[in-house]
Amino acid sequence: QQKVQQSPESLSVPEGGMASLNCTSSDRNFQYFWWYRQHSGEGPKALMSIFSDGDKKEGRFTAHLNKASLHVSLHIRDSQPSDSALYFCAASERSNNRIFFGDGTQLVVKP
Amino acid sequence: EAAVTQSPRNKVAVTGGKVTLSCNQTNNHNNMYWYRQDTGHGLRLIHYSYGAGSTEKGDIPDGYKASRPSQENFSLILELATPSQTSVYFCASGDLGGQDTQYFGPGTRLLVL
Repeated sequence: QQKVQQSPESLSVPEGGMASLNCTSSDRNFQYFWWYRQHSGEGPKALMSIFSDGDKKEGRFTAHLNKASLHVSLHIRDSQPSDSALYFCAASERSNNRIFFGDGTQLVVKP
Repeated sequence: EAAVTQSPRNKVAVTGGKVTLSCNQTNNHNNMYWYRQDTGHGLRLIHYSYGAGSTEKGDIPDGYKASRPSQENFSLILELATPSQTSVYFCASGDLGGQDTQYFGPGTRLLVL
């Protein structure tokens, strides 16, 4: 069973709209969570990390973590066509040097 | 920002041939990783390394070997390439600790005929 599950698989929002991506994990040892973004033809790039319960805001991006339910979300307000990309959720344990990735959510922002 | 480079960027190989994918990072990171990306499977970990001379098996190591001759370089070796190994391969680096961000290279697109 995959340790990190993402939903939805794909998402389409209008320019200026709100995009909401979700992620749940099955491993209660996970302490650290990230969102990575991958534009077509490029390697993934870390977008945000979140290690504590609650919200973390960086510009138009807000991540929310609930460790009790092992749920993390990413909300993008005022979505732009440049936000169109594949978004990965990732998680790791405190004592482990590797991170586990979900299968990704493909976001399309339509002008 | 962390810099990770990969070579070649594109590769066509024949079934049964040997393929070597190279990765270089200039950030003095201890950890390096090799992933493959296929539609519907996200990023799957093949091999990783904690430092020069070390290699560890990831989730899908069969058919692949890895080599870490120095802090900066990490290679992925396909001794007998098969069409099922057609994929996009990414190298990444990061520092010690579970809370460290990984920095990815631009990827190598491999086609095995």
